Amino acid sequence: EPEVTQTPSHQVTQMGQEVILRCVPISNHLYFYWYRQILGQKVEFLVSFYNNEISEKSEIFDDQFSVERPDGSNFTLKIRSTKLEDSAMYFCASSMGDYPTDTQYFGPGTRLTVL
Amino acid sequence: AQKVTQAQTEISVVEKEDVTLDCVYETRDTTYYLFWYKQPPSGELVFLIRRNSFDEQNEISGRYSWNFQKSTSSFNFTITASQVVDSAVYFCALTTSGSRLTFGEGTQLTVNP
Repeated sequence: EPEVTQTPSHQVTQMGQEVILRCVPISNHLYFYWYRQILGQKVEFLVSFYNNEISEKSEIFDDQFSVERPDGSNFTLKIRSTKLEDSAMYFCASSMGDYPTDTQYFGPGTRLTVL
Repeated sequence: AQKVTQAQTEISVVEKEDVTLDCVYETRDTTYYLFWYKQPPSGELVFLIRRNSFDEQNEISGRYSWNFQKSTSSFNFTITASQVVDSAVYFCALTTSGSRLTFGEGTQLTVNP
């Protein structure tokens, strides 16, 4: 069964460093998403992406964040200058379309630890 | 604005007990979709079910059942004859647009042998 994959599973970085989190969405999906979950808290929407453009972003997704689909398979989230409060689990998701009937399938997550 | 509330932070039951996880939502939209996701200890988010706002029929899938009541803005999830493998965090979520999912705080369910 196709699945969303994410690498690395755990990333440790120093405050102020740039990190890139990688995701491979399900191959025939067209919409891609990033969510984050601070430890013990709810899952929060960051951004959705379609046709090489951001289609929606939350207030969390500020200028420190960017997303890219550098090739036909990868979808990346870049944090330019990490802060302590960026420590969280980051989930990538993908769906066929952006209708509510198009289920978002999530990857296993990347745990980001900022020291 | 949309909001999902899962008032039960943690629930602990003994195997074979039935357990209900509560979910209350808020939205001004008349068309919306509700979801339940399971997050086992391994951390991934597993899709369980989706309901739309026009379909209030209850749904049963094996030991899982869902009760959707628009009158009380609730979408509760019941596990019958719980098993240790059901131990996980369960999230209720809402969308009106299909793009952004709004999640509740999650309920940590622990099923003890």
